[in-house]
Amino acid sequence: DQQVKQNSPSLSVQEGRISILNCDYTNSMFDYFLWYKKYPAEGPTFLISISSIKDKNEDGRFTVFLNKSAKHLSLHIVPSQPGDSAVYFCAASESANAGGTSYGKLTFGQGTILTVHP
Amino acid sequence: DTGVSQDPRHKITKRGQNVTFRCDPISEHNRLYWYRQTLGQGPEFLTYFQNEAQLEKSRLLSDRFSAERPKGSFSTLEIQRTEQGDSAMYLCASSLGSGTQYFGPGTRLLVL
Repeated sequence: DQQVKQNSPSLSVQEGRISILNCDYTNSMFDYFLWYKKYPAEGPTFLISISSIKDKNEDGRFTVFLNKSAKHLSLHIVPSQPGDSAVYFCAASESANAGGTSYGKLTFGQGTILTVHP
Repeated sequence: DTGVSQDPRHKITKRGQNVTFRCDPISEHNRLYWYRQTLGQGPEFLTYFQNEAQLEKSRLLSDRFSAERPKGSFSTLEIQRTEQGDSAMYLCASSLGSGTQYFGPGTRLLVL
């Protein structure tokens, strides 16, 4: 069963515009979410994360939004740059303790290929 | 700090052979994770260690797979009697406690 889903296999955006990548999850125990970027022949690179106690986290051009009631998160990249072209994975984790401070394995979506055209 | 390293980067083997991969985590990271990624999919969790203790194993990790982290530093992942279905990218990640997991470049395995 696919607990984390990225339903758009690919996204094409013009340079300077906004890229919006979406992710849905089904496991209500997930309370920590991350986005990774992956270039060919490299391992995933961490981008940004968000805890379930927040609904938004921003880091430079990257913003992650979390809608817990809809079990949906999105990554906004603005402005998009050609160097952002890569595969983007969302990932989720559940806390092993009540304090929400102990996380282990990540469950990943299938990925979305982002292409930013000059 | 050079990040997470994995060796070899590529491995071609024949069905039935044993293979072993090595992962060197970021120094002082006490957690080490193994994931497997097949074409068109995201990474799938296999197992993880905290120091030398193996804390969790996925049901994906059949009895042909074994992972070790004997001194709490580097880790090895061995696959015995490889099958064509084992062809994948094997990724290693490390973290300091429950912190962000940082991935290595992966070992691409092709079983002929």
